[in-house]
Amino acid sequence: DARVTQTPRHKVTEMGQEVTMRCQPILGHNTVFWYRQTMMQGLELLAYFRNRAPLDDSGMPKDRFSAEMPDATLATLKIQPSEPRDSAVYFCASGGQVGELFFGEGSRLTVL
Amino acid sequence: QKEVEQNSGPLSVPEGAIASLNCTYSDRGSQSFFWYRQYSGKSPELIMFIYSNGDKEDGRFTAQLNKASQYVSLLIRDSQPSDSATYLCAVNNYGQNFVFGPGTRLSVLP
Repeated sequence: DARVTQTPRHKVTEMGQEVTMRCQPILGHNTVFWYRQTMMQGLELLAYFRNRAPLDDSGMPKDRFSAEMPDATLATLKIQPSEPRDSAVYFCASGGQVGELFFGEGSRLTVL
Repeated sequence: QKEVEQNSGPLSVPEGAIASLNCTYSDRGSQSFFWYRQYSGKSPELIMFIYSNGDKEDGRFTAQLNKASQYVSLLIRDSQPSDSATYLCAVNNYGQNFVFGPGTRLSVLP
């Protein structure tokens, strides 16, 4: 059963702490996207990779967010330091043969 | 700015009726179009994709694309209460990123 796996599913942390979210894309998919979803903003693209190379991270606050793909089976999104306004659901998605995206279950982040 | 627009709803239809969801996009270079369904508290799941002008049918779902009008729609026939969800339109231009619309909330009333 091929699916995108994200960890952690839930994270509660205090302002100023570092948060790392991980994603395992579907085997064979060469594009990986990170999205953030809030009630107010909907789905916002933070960054995306093709063949592990970052192609667009313009949606990401550069001073505190970073995204990497250390290998083809792992993508990471890091927030340091975290702030209450970062509270959201973070989705990872990987791209299939015809360009469609398959989403992970998301990481729900709460920053107190 | 590449934009995808949808009516936020809620769109309410009685059970058994046809639900019509609409989406417009601004980038004429867009090449592929997707409809996702998202239940509350869950992740978006792909329903259909369409590349060519015209209609594409899959079970109770029909996607319609009109590139000249920059318009894509999703019809759900014989709507069921289980279809109640938010429907997201997404547009992709190969080599560029996916842009999602804000979603339309559909409520199917028993």
